[in-house]
Amino acid sequence: DVVLTQTPVSLSVTLGDQASISCRSSQSLEYSDGYTYLEWYLQKPGQSPQLLIYEVSNRFSGVPDRFIGSGSGTDFTLKISRVEPEDLGVYYCFQATHDPWTFGGGTKLELK
Amino acid sequence: QVQLTESGPGLVHPSETLSLTCTVSGFSLTGYSVYWVRQPSGKGLEWMGRMRYNGDTSYNSALKSRLSISRDTSKNQVFLKMNSLQTDDTGTYYCTRAGDGDYWGQGVMVTVSS
Repeated sequence: DVVLTQTPVSLSVTLGDQASISCRSSQSLEYSDGYTYLEWYLQKPGQSPQLLIYEVSNRFSGVPDRFIGSGSGTDFTLKISRVEPEDLGVYYCFQATHDPWTFGGGTKLELK
Repeated sequence: QVQLTESGPGLVHPSETLSLTCTVSGFSLTGYSVYWVRQPSGKGLEWMGRMRYNGDTSYNSALKSRLSISRDTSKNQVFLKMNSLQTDDTGTYYCTRAGDGDYWGQGVMVTVSS
C-alpha cells in the first residue's frame, strides 16, 4: 500500500504567519491518465473533514487563495500564506491514485 | 441536495460484528463511488474501503480479512460489516462520496466495550 508521510506532526504558528506542510509518498502518485490524485483535507474539532485541494494544486470551491498546493511525483506541499483562526485544526493529505487509497498521518496546526 | 447519513449501533461487544449503513440521497450509487473512513478516538483518519459505482469493491489491506462492503441500489444504501471487533476499533466512522465535490456524513461513533 502507498504510505504517505506527513511532516511536521504538529506546527505552532502565530496568526498571520505562513505555514508549510509536507506530504511524501512511498511511490509516485501520477496515474496512467496523467493526473495526480493527491488531495488535502482539514478537519476541525468535532467536524467531518473538509476538502481543500484536489489534484495537487486545485483549490476546491470556496477555499481561500491563501491555501496553495504544489508538488509532483512523490513530494507534495501545502502552504497557508497567512494563517487565520479558522485555519486551525488537523491537515491530512490523501491519495486516490493507487488502490487501496490512503491518508497521511496528519499535521496539527495550532497557535503558538 | 447530496446527503450521506451513517447509522448503526453505538456499542458493540468485543469479538462481535459491526454493521453500519450509509444512506445517500441526491445522487445515484450507480454513478458515484462511496467509501468508508474511520477515525479511532484521538487518532488520524484511516481509509477503510470503497464501493465503486459499478459494484466493485476495494479494501484497506490491514482490514481486508474482516471487512465487507456491499450495497442496495434500490434503497440507496451502502453497508459496512466488520467482524472480530476489538477495543481499538472504537472511533468515529464516516461514509463519503468520491468525485465531483466534497460530501461526508456526520459520522457515527462506535464504542467497542464489554
